[in-house]
Amino acid sequence: DIQMTQSPSTLSASVGDRVTITCRASQTIGGWLAWYQQKPGRAPNLLISKASTLETEVPFRFSGSGFGTEFTLTISGLQPDDSASYYCQQYNSYPWTFGQGTKVEIK
Amino acid sequence: EVHLVESGGGLVQPGGSLTLSCAASGFTFSNYEMNWVRQAPGKGLEWVSHIRVSGTTVNYADPVKGRFSISRDNARNSLYLQMNSLRAEDTATYYCARVSGGGSSDYWGQGTLVTVSS
Repeated sequence: DIQMTQSPSTLSASVGDRVTITCRASQTIGGWLAWYQQKPGRAPNLLISKASTLETEVPFRFSGSGFGTEFTLTISGLQPDDSASYYCQQYNSYPWTFGQGTKVEIK
Repeated sequence: EVHLVESGGGLVQPGGSLTLSCAASGFTFSNYEMNWVRQAPGKGLEWVSHIRVSGTTVNYADPVKGRFSISRDNARNSLYLQMNSLRAEDTATYYCARVSGGGSSDYWGQGTLVTVSS
């Protein structure tokens, strides 16, 4: 199975900061990676698919990059509404797997 | 507007069975692959199962293989998850999700809570 490791597990940043979350795959997954945002008590929301394709209505401050085994989610200009948990997910091969999540807090 | 509504969750004893349903609307259900994803209380997301549009090709996470069965009824716009031999570690909110772009999930239901406890 492909293991997905996110870092950091939690981060605290100020409004306006540039924030980067890393997701590493235990073996190559090409570009088959998605990023989700989840707020407490809510279902996850797809932000980015295929490593870098921004979903409709997702703010442009979110961006994704990477290929193979290392990927990043960047929030350029953190907003209060971005306080949430973020998950990566690989869908290169079964079983599909998620990272353990990164909790983003606003200082 | 796309809507996914799960039902069928509840309290079940260890070793028991439960069937979850997901009613889809707002899109052509028969054109989309579907997922079940779960989340234990206070924990992260865990992919559970995937089904292709015809329903003949399915895949499962290792912890549920042999105990859970995913199916769909395209005529009824419905997705199902039959769960047998339930264990305490299956306690979670179960989400159904529409698959797009090869494997990402672009729409999710609100989830249904399954609690396995005596």
